[in-house]
Amino acid sequence: EAGVVQSPRYKIIEKKQPVAFWCNPISGHNTLYWYRQNLGQGPELLIRYENEEAVDDSQLPKDRFSAERLKGVDSTLKIQPAELGDSAVYLCASSLAPLAGGPRDDTQYFGPGTRLTVL
Amino acid sequence: GQNIDQPTEMTATEGAIVQINCTYQTSGFNGLFWYQQHAGEAPTFLSYNVLDGLEEKGRFSSFLSRSKGYSYLLLKELQMKDSASYLCAVRDYGGATNKLIFGTGTLLAVQP
Repeated sequence: EAGVVQSPRYKIIEKKQPVAFWCNPISGHNTLYWYRQNLGQGPELLIRYENEEAVDDSQLPKDRFSAERLKGVDSTLKIQPAELGDSAVYLCASSLAPLAGGPRDDTQYFGPGTRLTVL
Repeated sequence: GQNIDQPTEMTATEGAIVQINCTYQTSGFNGLFWYQQHAGEAPTFLSYNVLDGLEEKGRFSSFLSRSKGYSYLLLKELQMKDSASYLCAVRDYGGATNKLIFGTGTLLAVQP
């Protein structure tokens, strides 16, 4: 079974330029997450989707970041314009079920990430 | 508030046993995960605890004490390939919050 797919793996851009990341979750996984991971830190949630609905975007910097998940499968995360501080690894994860207090079916599986460098 | 503490770095010898500790303070608690992350790669799921006690999975075991806000990951018969960062993550679930909160990770170096 294919895992979470992300592209591109690496992206280098100049500040003030736009950039977009793409994620294809594991087949059948309804919940999708975008995280940002700075060097030496743990992942931090940016946005969580359940099907097409963004159910938690409280930590998404909405002045420059946007995300969409059309048809409840693939998702894109966009930054416009990028700033130097946006340099990080952007991780996508998916889970079979929504984050809840139940058994392990909400275990999150991560993609390889996109390493963004803003110059 | 939400706080998850792990040691930043640890070093151990091939074939030995190492214990990586994690303490947490979150507004709600409903499970704790351990992930392994090799440099430049995605975090991969290792273990999950929601009840107190020890969960064993081959060379890896994870322990949870909810009353103490404490967990550890135990790695036995260390191999060089175990050199990686180990992330503790708490499922903070309850009320207005519902998210997985990650610690900063513990970078484990396994030496020959």
